[in-house]
Parts: sequence; C-alpha cells; structure tokens
Amino acid sequence: DQQVKQNSPSLSVQEGRISILNCDYTNSMFDYFLWYKKYPAEGPTFLISISSIKDKNEDGRFTVFLNKSAKHLSLHIVPSQPGDSAVYFCAASASGTYKYIFGTGTRLKVLA
Amino acid sequence: DSGVTQTPKHLITATGQRVTLRCSPRSGDLSVYWYQQSLDQGLQFLIQYYNGEERAKGNILERFSAQQFPDLHSELNLSSLELGDSALYFCASSVGGPRTETQYFGPGTRLLVL
Repeated sequence: DQQVKQNSPSLSVQEGRISILNCDYTNSMFDYFLWYKKYPAEGPTFLISISSIKDKNEDGRFTVFLNKSAKHLSLHIVPSQPGDSAVYFCAASASGTYKYIFGTGTRLKVLA
Repeated sequence: DSGVTQTPKHLITATGQRVTLRCSPRSGDLSVYWYQQSLDQGLQFLIQYYNGEERAKGNILERFSAQQFPDLHSELNLSSLELGDSALYFCASSVGGPRTETQYFGPGTRLLVL
C-alpha cells in the first residue's frame, strides 16, 4: 500500500525553465510534508517542507504547493539549473506517529 | 555534509550471515531513524529511536534489530541475510521534539548479499 506516490519516475527540463515535480498521498492524517534531493552516492538532503496549515511555502528558487482537498503536493523549481539534476523524494508524516513515508522518487534532469 | 556518519560505506557478505551497520547522529540530535532503499524503490522506514528508546516501528523484518546506545549512536543488526536484503541502508537523525521535524541523512551503507 503506497501511501505516498510519485507517478513520474523521470522528468527532463531545459535550463532556465520551470521544473514541476508532483506527489500524491492517500492518508488524510498526513499533516507535514517534506521534499528531499538526492545525488548519486549521497544521502538525501532536506530541501523544503510544508505544514498542512499552509498551502504554499517558498525558499529561494523552490516553492512547494499543497492542495489538501486533492491530497496533492508539488515542488516548483524556478529557474531550473543543471545542478538541480538529482532524484527528488517527497515524504509525509502524521503528527504523533514519528513515521515518515517516502515516495519512490522522481529523477530530474536539467539540460544545459 | 549533514553531520550524520555511517559505517561502513560498503559491505559485501554471503547469505545466512549477520552484519551490523553503525550510525552516529548529528551533535545534539536525540532521534535516529533507519531506512532501507532497494533498487528503484523509495526509502522504506524501518525503525526510530529517541534517546535510547524505540519510538516508532515501520516495515522492519524480524531478522533485523536495532538499538541506540547511551552516547546516542545507533546500530542496525541484520541477520540470516537473504539476497533480497541487498540495498542501501540510510540512517537519519533529528532533534527529536514532539512535533514532526526535518531529518538529516547520512551517506548510507551499501549492502550486497551474495
């Protein structure tokens, strides 16, 4: 039972354009969401998070949008840079569970 | 560098064997999490410890066990290894407050069972 789904295994975007990575979840108890970036041979690194009391959170070139009614979140990267090429994981958690459920990841390739 | 260290980086062993993976959390972090990432899979949460006590359990097999020591480092023990246990094993740490919070990941241990 995959509670967090990233349905696009890969995405290619031209440098300077917007990258949009999507994530869907099924558990309505999830109230905290995170995005991680992972380069080969390294552990995931935290990128940005959002609490369910918000519908948008921005940090520089990265913005996460949360649509609770659709149980959907997206990560926007503007403008995309070649260094953004990595695997992006979304993760979700429900208060009090201390468990983080990760999606299977989307491999982003930013073309120079 | 996240501040989380994991040893060893690579491990090759045979089926039926037992291995121990080690993790040192970031300075000041009380919580440690263990994850398994198999080929083309997401990170599967295994178990979490907070200040020496088990706090949450995920899809951890009975052949696997973990503990967190008084100095807060943690070990993940994998026994009666099977080919399917070949994976990347990540440790993460966080401060360990009552609310959901950001985790910081180590570089992982790549386990190959032959």
